[in-house]
Amino acid sequence: DIQMTQSPSTLSASVGDRVTITCRASQDISNWLAWYQQKPGKAPKLLIYKASSLENGVPSRFSGSGSGTEFTLSIGSLQPDDFATYYCQQYYRQRTFGQGTKVEVK
Amino acid sequence: QVTLKESGPVLVKPTETLTLTCTVSGVSLSNPAVGVSWIRQPPGKALEWLAHISSSDEKSYTTSLKSRLTISKDTSKSQVVLTMTNMDPIDTATYYCARIVSHTEADYWGQGTLVTVSS
Repeated sequence: DIQMTQSPSTLSASVGDRVTITCRASQDISNWLAWYQQKPGKAPKLLIYKASSLENGVPSRFSGSGSGTEFTLSIGSLQPDDFATYYCQQYYRQRTFGQGTKVEVK
Repeated sequence: QVTLKESGPVLVKPTETLTLTCTVSGVSLSNPAVGVSWIRQPPGKALEWLAHISSSDEKSYTTSLKSRLTISKDTSKSQVVLTMTNMDPIDTATYYCARIVSHTEADYWGQGTLVTVSS
């Protein structure tokens, strides 16, 4: 199975900060990677697909990059609504989620 | 408007079989670009992908639970069913179904249903 490892597990940041989350795959997954945002008690929300394509309606401060085994999700200027947990997910072979990164208030 | 809704028991006993139904509206399950996945999340823990069924009825399962899972669909009813056998307290989780669009992944999710496994 393909393993996905996110770092950091928790990130403390302030409104206006630029934030970067890393996701590593245990093998080459090309660009078959998605990013989701989840808030407590809610279903995840798709942010990015195919590593760098922004889902409709998602603010442009969110961006994704990478290919192969290393990927990043960046939030250009953190907004109050962005404090949440973020997950990467590969869909190259079956599907696997990372363990999540919680973005909390510093 | 695409919506998905999970339904099933809120409480199951250890060793019992869980059957969950995902009812999809706003899109046909025969659409060649559309599949449905089941994902779960134990309280306070990460998401775990469980199973997927494509428009052409291809099925795939997470390796660790493959022997316990069965996914199926009834296109006429717009429903996808997941069964999980031999339930254990560690299977207590919120179970989600999600629409999977080719190359885009899970763009619509159900609200989730919390299943507790306890005697």
